[in-house]
Amino acid sequence: QSALTQPASVSGSPGQSITISCTGTSSDVGGYNYVSWYQQHPGKAPKLMIYEVSNRPSGVSNRFSGSKSGNTASLTISGLQAEDEADYYCSSYTSSSTLFGGGTKLTVL
Amino acid sequence: EVQLVESGGGLVQPGGSLRLSCAASGFTFSSYDMHWVRQATGKGLEWVSAIGTAGDTYYPGSVKGRFTISRENAKNSLYLQMNSLRAGDTAVYYCAREYYDILTGPYGMDVWGQGTTVTVSS
Repeated sequence: QSALTQPASVSGSPGQSITISCTGTSSDVGGYNYVSWYQQHPGKAPKLMIYEVSNRPSGVSNRFSGSKSGNTASLTISGLQAEDEADYYCSSYTSSSTLFGGGTKLTVL
Repeated sequence: EVQLVESGGGLVQPGGSLRLSCAASGFTFSSYDMHWVRQATGKGLEWVSAIGTAGDTYYPGSVKGRFTISRENAKNSLYLQMNSLRAGDTAVYYCAREYYDILTGPYGMDVWGQGTTVTVSS
C-alpha cells in the first residue's frame, strides 16, 4: 500500500489558521474513522496530536482540530504560534497495517 | 512515569542481523498494542511492524519475511528481530504504544521512545 498524500509544506503567520490535508483511499482514510496526526520537532520523537479523526489527547491544545471528508482527512491549527513550527504526519489504520503520510513541514512566518 | 526505551541499534553489514529491544515502564504493557516505526535521516515516518495484545503480528511488504516482532509481557519488553538487512533499512527505529479498544478501535500511538539508530553499511 502507498503512503498517504500530504503537501510537502505549508506556512502561515502567527495568529492565522492553516490546514494540512491527508489523502488516501477508500481502503484506509475513507474506510475507517481511525486517522491520527503527529507533530514532530527536529531531533524529537513524534507526538500524538489527534486520534480517531478529531479527538485530542489530554494535554493537546484545542487550537488543533481534525476532520475528514471521504478519502481526505485534514488537520487545522488555529491561532498559529511559533512553537507550532514542526513536521506533521497523518496516519491511517487499515485492516492489516498502519499507513503514514509523507509529512508536511509547517513554517510559521 | 510512562516510558519506552529502545536499545540494540548499531552498525551492521548488508545481509546481517540485529535485534532491537524496547523496555516499557509506568503502564500495563500487556494491555497495549505495540509498534515499531522507523525514520531515515531527513525522511518521513514509516511503519515497520505491530503486535497486538494477543500476539497477532503485522508487517508492511517492505519488511515482511525479514523482520519479526515479538513481545514478552512478563519482562515488559518488545523486540524486533531484523534479518537480511539492507542499506534501505538504515534509520532511527522508534517503538510506540497504542491502545486498541475492541468496541471503538485504535487510539493512536500516544507514547514513543527516543529511538535507536540502525546503520546498514559495509
